[in-house]
Amino acid sequence: GAVVSQHPSWVICKSGTSVKIECRSLDFQATTMFWYRQFPKQSLMLMATSNEGSKATYEQGVEKDKFLINHASLTLSTLTVTSAHPEDSSFYICSAKTGPVSGANVLTFGAGSRLTVL
Amino acid sequence: AQRVTQPEKLLSVFKGAPVELKCNYSYSGSPELFWYVQYSRQRLQLLLRHISRESIKGFTADLNKGETSFHLKKPFAQEEDSAMYYCALRDGGATNKLIFGTGTLLAVQP
Repeated sequence: GAVVSQHPSWVICKSGTSVKIECRSLDFQATTMFWYRQFPKQSLMLMATSNEGSKATYEQGVEKDKFLINHASLTLSTLTVTSAHPEDSSFYICSAKTGPVSGANVLTFGAGSRLTVL
Repeated sequence: AQRVTQPEKLLSVFKGAPVELKCNYSYSGSPELFWYVQYSRQRLQLLLRHISRESIKGFTADLNKGETSFHLKKPFAQEEDSAMYYCALRDGGATNKLIFGTGTLLAVQP
């Protein structure tokens, strides 16, 4: 079945530095990827939708200059947390879907990346 | 606005007991609903979706448009069913994003 690999699984960084998280579809082409954020004991909050070859669509309240998303190929999307601060500490999860927009809507999820900003 | 509500944060049952995880939604169009499950230390994965009308691991869910519900049911719970369950609604707009409920932790006691 479809597999989404997310790297790193956890990262600790100093305040003010930038962190890049990668999301790869291993055996399928992902035309659309979604980035979610999950706080402890809370649900997944969609941050943005990225489509290969075009700009990401950010949800209301998500700073696009803070959370840079690049989806340069059909198998890779990256999320860069710029100038990270402690409040950015969270669990970031990517997911991918295949097919046309109106086709199958099943998402395959990555294992998540836990970011801790000191 | 589109919304998914899971009223129970925790549902604890004994092995062999029936299970019903509640999910209600708010959506103006024709909804497409899913149940995702996250077992301990594993990634989120699809359990079932309403358009397939399938039974996975003994779980079923029926879309009730009149009550705007998509409750997840299983007649006899097993210990291995213990996990976090999320109900999700597909937004039929341009992005086709999934809107998740807050999740229900199912704990099946031996």
